[in-house]
Amino acid sequence: EAQVTQNPRYLITVTGKKLTVTCSQNMNHEYMSWYRQDPGLGLRQIYYSMNVEVTDKGDVPEGYKVSRKEKRNFPLILESPSPNQTSLYFCASHEDSPNTEAFFGQGTRLTVV
Amino acid sequence: GNSVTQMEGPVTLSEEAFLTINCTYTATGYPSLFWYVQYPGEGLQLLLKATKADDKGSNKGFEATYRKETTSFHLEKGSVQVSDSAVYFCALSPLMDSSYKLIFGSGTRLLVRP
Repeated sequence: EAQVTQNPRYLITVTGKKLTVTCSQNMNHEYMSWYRQDPGLGLRQIYYSMNVEVTDKGDVPEGYKVSRKEKRNFPLILESPSPNQTSLYFCASHEDSPNTEAFFGQGTRLTVV
Repeated sequence: GNSVTQMEGPVTLSEEAFLTINCTYTATGYPSLFWYVQYPGEGLQLLLKATKADDKGSNKGFEATYRKETTSFHLEKGSVQVSDSAVYFCALSPLMDSSYKLIFGSGTRLLVRP
């Protein structure tokens, strides 16, 4: 079954404590991306990766890092989380074409206190 | 720049009512257009798409037509069901953008009552 798996689903943390949200896909897609979803704003792209070791900033990259050491995995790293990063995060993957369907993970709800 | 504007929700309908959710876009060039649906507690799923002007995307009774002249991609369904209750997102993919990102509208929550 085609799947994008994110972990954890829910996370409450304190300001400044480093955390990583994992993302894995089983479709051999080259393109992966992270979005955050906030009320009234829809989803906004944080970072994307076009292949292994190729990553770039999206529209709201401040405070986030990513890595792409393997094709299937694309973790999102918050080195020093702040309350304004409280949000719902989605990982997505699709084939190397803008016309193709994006497959989304189930989301990670992060609260930073 | 590129942007998507959707009608504000929530939209509350009775079962079997007709649904329209408006979506207009601003883009350079000719983007691909999508509707994604998010059921409670789940990620987004592609509902339908259209890749060029006058294309009609359809799936599960939902339809949307790519209207270049009005820069619109309105979602319609003739008879909604309780199971259609979800948040619907209109999105575009600007073909000239190497990031292949999706640009989303703010989402419209649909609630269908029995």
